[in-house]
Amino acid sequence: QKEVEQNSGPLSVPEGAIASLNCTYSDRGSQSFFWYRQYSGKSPELIMSIYSNGDKEDGRFTAQLNKASQYVSLLIRDSQPSDSATYLCAVGSQGNLIFGKGTKLSVKP
Amino acid sequence: DADVTQTPRNRITKTGKRIMLECSQTKGHDRMYWYRQDPGLGLRLIYYSFDVKDINKGEISDGYSVSRQAQAKFSLSLESAIPNQTALYFCATSDPLTAAYEQYFGPGTRLTVT
Repeated sequence: QKEVEQNSGPLSVPEGAIASLNCTYSDRGSQSFFWYRQYSGKSPELIMSIYSNGDKEDGRFTAQLNKASQYVSLLIRDSQPSDSATYLCAVGSQGNLIFGKGTKLSVKP
Repeated sequence: DADVTQTPRNRITKTGKRIMLECSQTKGHDRMYWYRQDPGLGLRLIYYSFDVKDINKGEISDGYSVSRQAQAKFSLSLESAIPNQTALYFCATSDPLTAAYEQYFGPGTRLTVT
């Protein structure tokens, strides 16, 4: 059974701080990795994709991938209250995505 | 207009009733998916379709059926609804020609079975 593991949180950070979200996966053959943001009662929204080892930056978001260690992380710089949401890590495997259960982030003003 | 739409957005039904959830997309994607989301259990794949003639069971297909009427339409049916099918249901799409694993979600249908 292929799995994606995330700390469920809640992760609480003050406004302006860096939020660090982590994810590990079991399928060593996976090549595609994603972060989705989901506000309460809303649908998941794709915010980052990463395919190669290293860092990928997009605005305040940085995704980090280490295939040898089978982990993916998401850093959110200058966190804002509007970043408060559940963040889902997803890993591509055999044509489909396997989702983690999500980490709930709370950014306090 | 939204690229992926789902109808209805909310539905309350009784045990034993047949219900259909519909998904339409204007993204031109070949692949479509149905998920359910329950608190604490995350997103679970019910069925997926890689094209009109290719439909596959996901992790939790028991009690559900699907129909891919066209590239743009993918419907999920509950033949005889039961209370533990109360959940938030999402449709998603992806394009195998550009980014096969990048999935884009509809707004969801909140289903309550009493």
